[in-house]
Amino acid sequence: DVKVTQSSRYLVKRTGEKVFLECVQDMDHENMFWYRQDPGLGLRLIYFSYDVKMKEKGDIPEGYSVSREKKERFSLILESASTNQTSMYLCASSLVRATLHFGNGTRLTVT
Amino acid sequence: GQQVMQIPQYQHVQEGEDFTTYCNSSTTLSNIQWYKQRPGGHPVFLIQLVKSGEVKKQKRLTFQFGEAKKNSSLHITATQTTDVGTYFCAGYFGNEKLTFGTGTRLTIIP
Repeated sequence: DVKVTQSSRYLVKRTGEKVFLECVQDMDHENMFWYRQDPGLGLRLIYFSYDVKMKEKGDIPEGYSVSREKKERFSLILESASTNQTSMYLCASSLVRATLHFGNGTRLTVT
Repeated sequence: GQQVMQIPQYQHVQEGEDFTTYCNSSTTLSNIQWYKQRPGGHPVFLIQLVKSGEVKKQKRLTFQFGEAKKNSSLHITATQTTDVGTYFCAGYFGNEKLTFGTGTRLTIIP
């Protein structure tokens, strides 16, 4: 079974802090994704990566950056956290154009 | 930009009634996927449709992909309490980016 592990289930940070959300997958998937989920807005894509060191912006990349130094790990970085980044963050991985396997999510609160 | 719209946003049904959620895209999709997210959980893949006009069934669930590959639907016959959750469609527009619809939250009245 594919396992996608997100480092934290809940996270509370202060405005202006630099925040790292980590995601690791164990199935050698090429693609990895970061989505945020907010009520009424569904899942919105922040960034995705289709190879090591490769990244592409999704629909809402502003205020975020990503890092993929190794195939199994995809990190989401909030350079300076703001209250409007309070959300549920979901990481996913997949083979090329295949189904997504999601982690359990990180609920981030920025105060 | 490329968007996937989904309706309704919420649906409350009596147990045993049918349920349908609809998904529409502004442009042609390469394929469409459906996911289910239980309360407190993460989205879990249900099915993928690729061909124009394709219909697939999983027990009480019927999935359709439109002839123009711009719309899709999920129909649940005789809902049960285990069907509770949010159902998402998601489509590939020809690149590696999977775009999700806004989801339909289904609640069941016992």
